[in-house]
Amino acid sequence: DAGVIQSPRHEVTEMGQEVTLRCKPISGHDYLFWYRQTMMRGLELLIYFNNNVPIDDSGMPEDRFSAKMPNASFSTLKIQPSEPRDSAVYFCASRTGTNYEQYFGPGTRLTVT
Amino acid sequence: QKEVEQNSGPLSVPEGAIASLNCTYSDRGSQSFFWYRQYSGKSPELIMSIYSNGDKEDGRFTAQLNKASQYVSLLIRDSQPSDSATYLCAVNSYRGGNQFYFGTGTSLTVIP
Repeated sequence: DAGVIQSPRHEVTEMGQEVTLRCKPISGHDYLFWYRQTMMRGLELLIYFNNNVPIDDSGMPEDRFSAKMPNASFSTLKIQPSEPRDSAVYFCASRTGTNYEQYFGPGTRLTVT
Repeated sequence: QKEVEQNSGPLSVPEGAIASLNCTYSDRGSQSFFWYRQYSGKSPELIMSIYSNGDKEDGRFTAQLNKASQYVSLLIRDSQPSDSATYLCAVNSYRGGNQFYFGTGTSLTVIP
């Protein structure tokens, strides 16, 4: 069974450019989470969706960040414009509605120069 | 006060020894507790979940939960060099909404 799929695995971009990260959750999972991990701040929850609806986006750092989930099998996290301080590893995770166990994708390592 | 606190380590143990990792949480109403292992450059991998007071064993891993003390621990018996990783404690809390909080992780090194 395929796990959570994320793309791209690595992204290097220049400050000011738009960045789009993609995630496909595990089939049948109706919760999807976006996290950011840095050495300084650890693993931070940015936003999560339930049945494609954003439930809590209080972790989104600022208006430059936006996330969508147009259907049950696809979500995007967009940063526009990107800044060097956005450099981090971004993880997507998913879980079912009845079990709190979250399963993580491989992550996208973002570098903004 | 942080929702989940862990000793960041690093923790070093010799091969074959028992490694003990500890975690405390602040929301007394929390019901679900998890341990994740994260190798350098990789994503967090779920290794244990525990929901009731007491011990839960899975192979060389034992999770211990004490809700009265708001304390969760992970014991790794017969530690192997391949257990060297960062271990993240996570708690599902209902405070401020249904949130999943991670500790900052404890770095474990098993010395051959």
